[in-house]
Amino acid sequence: DADVTQTPRNRITKTGKRIMLECSQTKGHDRMYWYRQDPGLGLRLIYYSFDVKDINKGEISDGYSVSRQAQAKFSLSLESAIPNQTALYFCATSSEREGNEQFFGPGTRLTVL
Amino acid sequence: SQQGEEDPQALSIQEGENATMNCSYKTSINNLQWYRQNSGRGLVHLILIRSNEREKHSGRLRVTLDTSKKSSSLLITASRAADTASYFCATRPGSNYQLIWGAGTKLIIKP
Repeated sequence: DADVTQTPRNRITKTGKRIMLECSQTKGHDRMYWYRQDPGLGLRLIYYSFDVKDINKGEISDGYSVSRQAQAKFSLSLESAIPNQTALYFCATSSEREGNEQFFGPGTRLTVL
Repeated sequence: SQQGEEDPQALSIQEGENATMNCSYKTSINNLQWYRQNSGRGLVHLILIRSNEREKHSGRLRVTLDTSKKSSSLLITASRAADTASYFCATRPGSNYQLIWGAGTKLIIKP
């Protein structure tokens, strides 16, 4: 079974809709991240969390919010989706004890019409 | 504001040849990491090199780091079709725990 899972894997929605992307991990890592990837670009950090009570904005947090419900769960919400939020979204985890390499989920492909 | 820039953006070589990709960055770092991404899938960590290291090996992978030039290279020897993927470098600047990502090199191995 995958260590980092994301649901849904694909989602098509309309402008203005609220969307939640969920991430769960079984690695026991304290740190979790949400990234978006656009074609031809690297990853851009949206939000990150170093433990359940710690939430930090990344490079491109506008239009997004997150919730760290438990150490193993980190969800990303788009309160009112817009077309330029169409992208591939990745959740990742890491642990300082393991050198801070990041472990990625399979991604969620989101299309906003 | 991406810190890393990979070069070349795309590389196509014959199976069995060596592939070299370069990464340049802007600020001082704690470590630099290389990841592989198969088309549309999650990234997989390949190798981490710390700022006080100059070279590291893992199987067919060799990574070098030149902190004076703020650059790193990833060499894949004896390439295979399965190496076809995009390769990203990511830097961890100083005491910051975030990773800053480059735009990637798309590698195609021709059979």
